[in-house]
Amino acid sequence: NAGVTQTPKFQVLKTGQSMTLQCAQDMNHEYMSWYRQDPGMGLRLIHYSVGAGITDQGEVPNGYNVSRSTTEDFPLRLLSAAPSQTSVYFCASSFQGVQETQYFGPGTRLLVL
Amino acid sequence: GQQVMQIPQYQHVQEGEDFTTYCNSSTTLSNIQWYKQRPGGHPVFLIQLVKSGEVKKQKRLTFQFGEAKKNSSLHITATQTTDVGTYFCAGDDGSEKLVFGKGTKLTVNP
Repeated sequence: NAGVTQTPKFQVLKTGQSMTLQCAQDMNHEYMSWYRQDPGMGLRLIHYSVGAGITDQGEVPNGYNVSRSTTEDFPLRLLSAAPSQTSVYFCASSFQGVQETQYFGPGTRLLVL
Repeated sequence: GQQVMQIPQYQHVQEGEDFTTYCNSSTTLSNIQWYKQRPGGHPVFLIQLVKSGEVKKQKRLTFQFGEAKKNSSLHITATQTTDVGTYFCAGDDGSEKLVFGKGTKLTVNP
């Protein structure tokens, strides 16, 4: 098993550009989530999904969209990047929900100029 | 919404000294989880506590969950350089969302 994979590893964007951060897992996990990590701020939940076709907002959803068309994939879309979205983004998954171990991907480091 | 406070934000110790980080939640938790993130890495699950007053040990690490299920601690005995990293607690209040504390960054002087 590859576990949780994220692409790209690094990305530089200009303000206003759009992009999609990819996240995939091969563990047949129902629950997937996106966090952003900023210095001194810990991990903040952006969006999460309890299964294919179901998504919901976390603590900091503004400026981000998600979809969950398959169990395996949970892409995060930035529609119009802003410098405030410069961060490290982590995708995580678990078998059924937050009452279980969360498996994190290696992260995507995003810089918005 | 639910908040999880974690202190201290930073801790620097000499190798062999003990280390403790504390978490407090604004709401009663269903469970609390602890994660470790090495520099440049991603968070890795350490343990989950579910029961009121629960204490679990993993070698030199001791985890406690408070009687009211609103606070938790992680204690490391006789730190080693391999313990370096940031330790996060994460609380589940039954809302399908896991709320992370801001973490305690541990550095160890050899």
